[in-house]
Amino acid sequence: QKEVEQNSGPLSVPEGAIASLNCTYSDRGSQSFFWYRQYSGKSPELIMFIYSNGDKEDGRFTAQLNKASQYVSLLIRDSQPSDSATYLCARMGGNAGNMLTFGGGTRLMVKP
Amino acid sequence: DVKVTQSSRYLVKRTGEKVFLECVQDMDHENMFWYRQDPGLGLRLIYFSYDVKMKEKGDIPEGYSVSREKKERFSLILESASTNQTSMYLCASFNPGQGYNSPLHFGNGTRLTVT
Repeated sequence: QKEVEQNSGPLSVPEGAIASLNCTYSDRGSQSFFWYRQYSGKSPELIMFIYSNGDKEDGRFTAQLNKASQYVSLLIRDSQPSDSATYLCARMGGNAGNMLTFGGGTRLMVKP
Repeated sequence: DVKVTQSSRYLVKRTGEKVFLECVQDMDHENMFWYRQDPGLGLRLIYFSYDVKMKEKGDIPEGYSVSREKKERFSLILESASTNQTSMYLCASFNPGQGYNSPLHFGNGTRLTVT
């Protein structure tokens, strides 16, 4: 089992819809979770991080964490074509210590 | 703004060559990392370093070595390049003093092709 799992997609949503990206992890000791966005040919850029159970909102983005279910998600409201990218989920802590362990990424396509 | 600079954006090398990938960060970060990224496999950690002259193996260290002689510079070395090392290589740095909520800062990546 991979430490961080994501559906590779592509996830296709129409412009203006809510995109829901999901991620599960295997190490219960994981402390923090990060969502990175990566455009084709570019390096990843941090969108959000979350470390407490519940929701964390930042503009059109909401990260959700459920440690009991070992599940973290990213919601993108009012999706725009410019949101089309690969979204990488990562975790830190637990057996990873100060290292980030990444999932394989989910490719999101927002269609006009 | 943190800047992580990788010396080359694109590299083409021949099988058997010794290859150096250089990475420099300007924010006095203690932790530096080398990842490779391949389609369908995501980012996989090759090596990381917590301090000068300190190095630790990541998930896929075989065929690679690293050097950290100065805090700001972390070099990835392919002793004898092989075609299966054709990949995108990403360097990153991180400040552990900010705890588990610190973001990882990435360089722009080096796309290495081994022929």
